[in-house]
Amino acid sequence: DVKVTQSSRYLVKRTGEKVFLECVQDMDHENMFWYRQDPGLGLRLIYFSYDVKMKEKGDIPEGYSVSREKKERFSLILESASTNQTSMYLCASRRLPPYEQYFGPGTRLTVT
Amino acid sequence: AQSVTQPDIHITVSEGASLELRCNYSYGATPYLFWYVQSPGQGLQLLLKYFSGDTLVQGIKGFEAEFKRSQSSFNLRKPSVHWSDAAEYFCAVAVSGGYQKVTFGTGTKLQVIP
Repeated sequence: DVKVTQSSRYLVKRTGEKVFLECVQDMDHENMFWYRQDPGLGLRLIYFSYDVKMKEKGDIPEGYSVSREKKERFSLILESASTNQTSMYLCASRRLPPYEQYFGPGTRLTVT
Repeated sequence: AQSVTQPDIHITVSEGASLELRCNYSYGATPYLFWYVQSPGQGLQLLLKYFSGDTLVQGIKGFEAEFKRSQSSFNLRKPSVHWSDAAEYFCAVAVSGGYQKVTFGTGTKLQVIP
């Protein structure tokens, strides 16, 4: 069974902290994604990785960075967390051609 | 750039009634089309997808969707809604070329009343 896991379901951090969100997929998928989900805005793409060590900025990359050192793991980093980064963060993976994405359960991050 | 519109933010239907959720996209060529469902506090799960061929596609949980090129639409339907279908539904579009960027609609929240 296909599986995407995220390191935390809930996370509370303080303003200015460095935050790491980790995502692991067990399907040997080439592509991995980080989205944030906010009410009324749907899913917005933060970063996309099409292969190991390769990344592309999405629609809202400001304030975020990513790392993909191994095919199965894609990390999202908030260098200095701010309150406007309070959100639900969803990781997804996908095999080429553009087959469907498989999503993790999400991490609800609160920055106080 | 492609865009996806889900014009209904919130829909309420009675259990057993039929359902249609609307999705319109803007893109020059035929994109890859998806419907996902999200239960509260969960990630998204694929309901169905369209790549090519038969324009009426069947998915899981009794859902189907019809691709209409002339209307740039990919509406989701179910003939008889169950209380467990209450969730948020997202339409998504992926385009060929480049890294096959995926764009999501803003979602439609479905409420089912007894």
